[in-house]
Amino acid sequence: EVQLVQSGAEVKKPGESLKISCKGSGYSFTNFWIGWVRQMPGKGLEWMGVIYPGDSDTRYNPSLQGQVTISADKSISTAYLQWSSLKASDTAMYYCVRRFSALQYFVGDYWGQGTLVTVSS
Amino acid sequence: EIVMTQSPATLSVSPGERATLSCRASQSVSSNLAWHQQKPGQPPRLLIYGASTRATGIPARFSGSGSGTEFTLTISSLQSEDFAIYYCQQYNPWPSNTFGQGTKLEI
Repeated sequence: EVQLVQSGAEVKKPGESLKISCKGSGYSFTNFWIGWVRQMPGKGLEWMGVIYPGDSDTRYNPSLQGQVTISADKSISTAYLQWSSLKASDTAMYYCVRRFSALQYFVGDYWGQGTLVTVSS
Repeated sequence: EIVMTQSPATLSVSPGERATLSCRASQSVSSNLAWHQQKPGQPPRLLIYGASTRATGIPARFSGSGSGTEFTLTISSLQSEDFAIYYCQQYNPWPSNTFGQGTKLEI
């Protein structure tokens, strides 16, 4: 069974750093793109970026580039999303999602359960 | 950036009735259009891709149509579990990949 299991909810202060994780199982982690999607409270879905764990090829949403870093450790089948200095506006639910292999471009077929990040002083 | 506009923002329908949700792209996306369903407290679930192909395990009451800039998701006979938020997504070479703002389907 394909599963993406994300790390738990986080409460942080502005200016702090954070790294959240997404562990894949039940499939060949290195052969599927993983994406990160942000959902701000009561809002819609927005791409943060995507990564191919096989070679760490990473692409970012141009409107968000520089605000986060996406990485992966294929030895432990885990992708990461990290911030060096959080802002209150980073408060959101973050989902990881696997790319559906039948399509040429990114549509997610399996989603993680989400990690709620709350940034507040 | 291709902007996806969904209408209406909220749709009120009774169980057993048909629901029709619309999604418009600011420029042609061919048939590179997916629909996702999201229930409260859950991640999205893929319903439709290629504008009209149901994903694995999706009931036949869900159907998608359209191409180019105009797309429709139809739910033929609403069940209680179908009340949720629905998002369309156009997918093209990165970074051209965007979601609509969602349609809330309520009783």
